[in-house]
Amino acid sequence: QQPVQSPQAVILREGEDAVINCSSSKALYSVHWYRQKHGEAPVFLMILLKGGEQKGHDKISASFNEKKQQSSLYLTASQLSYSGTYFCGTEEDNFNKFYFGSGTKLNVKP
Amino acid sequence: DAGVTQSPTHLIKTRGQQVTLRCSPKSGHDTVSWYQQALGQGPQFIFQYYEEEERQRGNFPDRFSGHQFPNYSSELNVNALLLGDSALYLCASLAGGRTDTQYFGPGTRLTVL
Repeated sequence: QQPVQSPQAVILREGEDAVINCSSSKALYSVHWYRQKHGEAPVFLMILLKGGEQKGHDKISASFNEKKQQSSLYLTASQLSYSGTYFCGTEEDNFNKFYFGSGTKLNVKP
Repeated sequence: DAGVTQSPTHLIKTRGQQVTLRCSPKSGHDTVSWYQQALGQGPQFIFQYYEEEERQRGNFPDRFSGHQFPNYSSELNVNALLLGDSALYLCASLAGGRTDTQYFGPGTRLTVL
């Protein structure tokens, strides 16, 4: 079942922070985050596994609340290069079916 | 180390025709997933191939079929094309087991007229 992402779009100034949310009504095994720039393939950012955890690298981090089946992506001190559409992807406990959310369009302006 | 490759890059077909798209996974990966991405939408899971078998399938009709070869490369076939099949078709490769890091190819842009 397709996860629900919010917000649909965000406009930021360079240096501002953003949070993108992803939730599912199904029990999840993992949550993935991807960024896709216009005309390009999605690029993997990070994966969070069942058990609830938080991950991050550089100024991008994410958390996964297994009890609520929710994940959030945190973008700190945004840079122009962060612009793009962010997708969460979820794998449910029923093995190997993978669903992407509808995406959050992030526009970072100078 | 070659990443995921897909061919062709672009394709134009007419309604009712059949199309075959190809994907070569990243070196060391044995699993291939196919996705359809309509304009402005997130990728939709079509199916996944592992050990030359279809392991899982999304909500796509039987017009969509696939194949995986012993070298792990894969084909996506779509029969009786409809206008609504126009989309970017993405192939992702991963290394067996549960869905781990998926590496996406550049995609094939299919236009059905």
